Amino acid sequence: QITLKESGPTLVKPTQTLTLTCTFSGFSLSTTGVGVGWIRQPPGKALEWLALIYWDGDKRYSPSLKSRLTIAKDTSKNQVVLTMTNMDPVDTATYYCTHTTRGQWPTETHFDYWGQGTLVTVSS
Amino acid sequence: QSVLTQPPSVSGAPGQRVTISCTGSSSNIGTGYDVHWYQQLPGKAPKLLIHVNSNRPSGVPDRFSGSKSGTSASLAITGLQAEDEADYYCQSYDNSLSGSWVFGGGTKLTVL
Repeated sequence: QITLKESGPTLVKPTQTLTLTCTFSGFSLSTTGVGVGWIRQPPGKALEWLALIYWDGDKRYSPSLKSRLTIAKDTSKNQVVLTMTNMDPVDTATYYCTHTTRGQWPTETHFDYWGQGTLVTVSS
Repeated sequence: QSVLTQPPSVSGAPGQRVTISCTGSSSNIGTGYDVHWYQQLPGKAPKLLIHVNSNRPSGVPDRFSGSKSGTSASLAITGLQAEDEADYYCQSYDNSLSGSWVFGGGTKLTVL
């Protein structure tokens, strides 16, 4: 079965760079059509899509955060890494790693498996 | 302010039917982009409930159904059960700026 798990720091200081790792099993990021995405949720607030990387290396970013985000994959390790620069207290959120398949792009793109999430707090 | 608009809360008694709306615009649902729905139980990660407007993943009860028309979509839950109390989110694609996947603001369902 497909599982994903996020790991990284629980506390970062303002202006620092956040690096989160998604380690997954049950699928391969070398399989045609497969993608891994990141979605975050501030406490008590709505979900926000951040970034997505596909099996072929295609990368997509939220336009509002594109300048701060980098997503990369390590297929041999079954991992996807998200980095976010210049962290601010408003970036405090639970960060989720998700599985997706390309389907009829972009309209059919949805997130069918989710990690448990990791809460990242930005504070000095 | 979310790109997709959902009512903040809905409620219903056990056994009743409730609907949750998701209103978009000409740059997302109105263009014809599909809508997907997620259920988030308290303290848990979201779970895919409906994909591509009206399709239920394996294991999702047929009490949950989705529809789309024009610039809006709806999630209907029949035979309401206590375990349905959760937050529900719609998701679609928006082609403004350089394009991105967007979520609604979420709807809290309370089972009375």
